[in-house]
Amino acid sequence: EPEVTQTPSHQVTQMGQEVILRCVPISNHLYFYWYRQILGQKVEFLVSFYNNEISEKSEIFDDQFSVERPDGSNFTLKIRSTKLEDSAMYFCASSQGEGNQPQHFGDGTRLSIL
Amino acid sequence: AQSVTQLDSQVPVFEEAPVELRCNYSSSVSVYLFWYVQYPNQGLQLLLKYLSGSTLVKGINGFEAEFNKSQTSFHLRKPSVHISDTAEYFCAVRSIKAAGNKLTFGGGTRVLVKP
Repeated sequence: EPEVTQTPSHQVTQMGQEVILRCVPISNHLYFYWYRQILGQKVEFLVSFYNNEISEKSEIFDDQFSVERPDGSNFTLKIRSTKLEDSAMYFCASSQGEGNQPQHFGDGTRLSIL
Repeated sequence: AQSVTQLDSQVPVFEEAPVELRCNYSSSVSVYLFWYVQYPNQGLQLLLKYLSGSTLVKGINGFEAEFNKSQTSFHLRKPSVHISDTAEYFCAVRSIKAAGNKLTFGGGTRVLVKP
C-alpha cells in the first residue's frame, strides 16, 4: 500500500538555526498537510496546501514557517529561525481529494531544538 | 470552530476483554468523524471514518464506532482486544464544508492491553 514518507526521522538543531523537514506524499494525492504534536499535547493542525498554494493555516503557522512543493514529489516544511518551543513531532499527511477523503499520515519527524 | 474531547487519557484492559474509548465533539457545523491509531514510533493510521449513512461504522482490526448526533459522540469499541492493540487512539473531526480540510484532534487515549 502506498505510504507517506518523511525524512529525517529525528532532527536535532541549535536554536536560531533553519530547519527543513521533508515529506513525499502519496503519488496521486493532491492535498498536503503538516501537523505537529508537542510531547504530551494534542496533534495540532499547521497548514494545508493545494494547487501550489496554502489553502488554510493555523495561528501557529506564523512568518517563521513556510511550505513548498519544490518538485512533483516532495513537500517541505521550513522553520526559518527555530525556537525551543518548536520541539515536537511533525507529521506530514496527504489526501486524494477534499471533503470526505481521508488523510494519510507519515511516521513523523521528531524535531529537537537545543 | 470545532473541538474534540476524549474523556479517558489512559485505559488499561485485559486481553480478550472488550474496550470502549469515548469521544465527544463540539461543532457549529456538520462534521466528518475519524478514529486514528498510533502504534509506538509510528505515524497515525486511519482506523475508521463516519461520513454519512449508517451510524455504526466498522473499521480495520475489528474496531467499530457509533455516531450519535444528539449526544455529539463517536465512541470506539472492540469486543475482544489483543496485546497488539496496545497503542494510542485519536478521535478527529473535519468540517464538511470548510476549505482547507483541517483535522481537529482529541487529546488521545492510551490503551494498554495486559495479558
